[in-house]
Amino acid sequence: EDQVTQSPEALRLQEGESSSLNCSYTVSGLRGLFWYRQDPGKGPEFLFTLYSAGEEKEKERLKATLTKKESFLHITAPKPEDSATYLCAVQLYSGGYQKVTFGIGTKLQVIP
Amino acid sequence: EADIYQTPRYLVIGTGKKITLECSQTMGHDKMYWYQQDPGMELHLIHYSYGVNSTEKGDLSSESTVSRIRTEHFPLTLESARPSHTSQYLCASSATGREQYFGPGTRLTVT
Repeated sequence: EDQVTQSPEALRLQEGESSSLNCSYTVSGLRGLFWYRQDPGKGPEFLFTLYSAGEEKEKERLKATLTKKESFLHITAPKPEDSATYLCAVQLYSGGYQKVTFGIGTKLQVIP
Repeated sequence: EADIYQTPRYLVIGTGKKITLECSQTMGHDKMYWYQQDPGMELHLIHYSYGVNSTEKGDLSSESTVSRIRTEHFPLTLESARPSHTSQYLCASSATGREQYFGPGTRLTVT
């Protein structure tokens, strides 16, 4: 069964303390991997799409990377406003339906 | 900036009532989706549409129904609400079927 596993489940960082979030997947026929940010009580906000191993995308303090079996979201010198749940999702080749499977997310708290 | 709207944002309703959750987008996206998300859990797809008059059930079994009469509008209806329907409902749209743009969600509580 296709699975997306995110780790850690929760992460508490001091402001300025860089770290990485992990998303590992056990799927075949990966069409794309997506990172979203979700604030409490709100819908997810799209951050990045990665299509192939070795690809990297950056946005402000965030950098996403992709290997054949996992993706990392690196957070450099985080600020309290980066506190949120970060979701990973994978899309597969599956006939006419472009199935997207979401992970549970990593809840990040950045302390001033 | 994605423009996708959901109403109501919060709804508390009694068992057995019929409810419709509204979702509209102004981006002209053909593809639209409904997800259900419980606290601390992953999003589960309950319905999707690839265009007008096209609707399909998603991975999670749901007693809800959807319609897509206009490109910008994708309402979800529960004919008879039950406490097990208590959840957050998220609507999303996409131009490509890849990155999705989400609305703010409707928090539904059935008493």
